[in-house]
Amino acid sequence: QSVLTQPPSVSAAPGQKVTISCSGSSSNIGNNYVSWYQQLPGTAPKLLIYENNKRPSGIPDRFSGSKSGTSATLGITGLQTGDEADYYCGTWDTSLSAGVFGGGTKLTVL
Amino acid sequence: EVELLESGGGLVQPGGSLRLSCAASGFIFRSYAMSWVRQAPGKGLEWVSSIPDSGDRKYYADSVEARFTISRDNSKNTLYLQMNSLRADDTAVYYCVKGGISTTGLDYWGQGTLVTVSS
Repeated sequence: QSVLTQPPSVSAAPGQKVTISCSGSSSNIGNNYVSWYQQLPGTAPKLLIYENNKRPSGIPDRFSGSKSGTSATLGITGLQTGDEADYYCGTWDTSLSAGVFGGGTKLTVL
Repeated sequence: EVELLESGGGLVQPGGSLRLSCAASGFIFRSYAMSWVRQAPGKGLEWVSSIPDSGDRKYYADSVEARFTISRDNSKNTLYLQMNSLRADDTAVYYCVKGGISTTGLDYWGQGTLVTVSS
């Protein structure tokens, strides 16, 4: 059971928008930066968002991140079939003195 | 170009030990925190351990505390993970990752090395 809670799956049609939620507590999301990762099938994860809402160089602005209280959200607009992947949120948990990930969300682009 | 090349994975019996290494290049290794993240077959990501740039503190997941030791040699641009008392549930792909999960984010990942714990 993951410290951070994500929906197991989401789906949407090409061109549409989807959001993926990540719920935590005051010891993790509430007081630390959140990052998001995309894992395409058979590959290593890739950083999409860091410090809640910043995109690394090379990540298109179709990907966005936000945080409110003890929850964070990843948004993806203009969905493409190539966006089909597993998405993970992550942060530090101050009480555990450890990093934590969500259980992952599988995105299907119908 | 940032490169992280893990080595040292393989098949080990329960109770055995392995030492993973990660050779880093393309960035100033001594200036960045480093982490290990693992992924069991068909499962999600699990943060394992992190070490800051100076190496003066070490952080571990409860699941590996007292069995695994993270270290770094900044003169060799290399990150290590010593794994002792291995169990079947340690079976996973282990990724060497640049950065910290809640600072700059885990911004570069190695290709991973598979550790299989089985008799």
